[in-house]
Amino acid sequence: GQQVQQSPASLVLQEGENAELQCNFSSTATQLQWFYQSPGGSLVSLLSNPSGTKHTGRLTSTTVTKERRSSLHISSSQTTDSGTYLCAIDPSGGNYKPTFGKGTSLVVHP
Amino acid sequence: GPKVLQIPSHQIIDMGQMVTLNCDPVSNHLYFYWYKQILGQQMEFLVNFYNGKVMEKSKLFKDQFSVERPDGSYFTLKIQPTALEDSAVYFCASSLGGPSYEQYFGPGTRLTVL
Repeated sequence: GQQVQQSPASLVLQEGENAELQCNFSSTATQLQWFYQSPGGSLVSLLSNPSGTKHTGRLTSTTVTKERRSSLHISSSQTTDSGTYLCAIDPSGGNYKPTFGKGTSLVVHP
Repeated sequence: GPKVLQIPSHQIIDMGQMVTLNCDPVSNHLYFYWYKQILGQQMEFLVNFYNGKVMEKSKLFKDQFSVERPDGSYFTLKIQPTALEDSAVYFCASSLGGPSYEQYFGPGTRLTVL
């Protein structure tokens, strides 16, 4: 089945530093999504980016489909960015059946 | 912003009992999802639901699981009978269009099966 590897597993930054999170996947993805999971557990959709580059606020995602990888860049990190970032891949091209990575745990210190 | 509610926030039941997890999705959303996360483990997709039907389900969506949204009310996940391995946090989500649209998540229901 689909494998999704996220790196690094954890990252510690000082406020203001940038973060680069990686997602590698084993087979073609027609859907690729980044989610944020807060320390309390709630989830937020960040970006849907199956190919190319997308920006929203301080987030930039670049997906290179043929290389089966995606990155999430967080610029000027803030303490409120602390949490877990999840990458989810859906290869199906039809109905939605995503596979999630284990996530990158980000801690931003003031 | 739009909110998805989940009721209850916690549920403790004995193995073999039935449990129904309730989700109140965003009012004009048409697509609904359930995800499962065992404590400390990765998020896993269970099922997506549209127009009264299951569109896709994972292998975790066992025969003991069922979903429905009767008359546009709560979107429910029923487990009957429950097993120990069903203990997890269950997240509901909804989206206006298909899965490429932004999904809005509920806060989760923590289910403990004893």
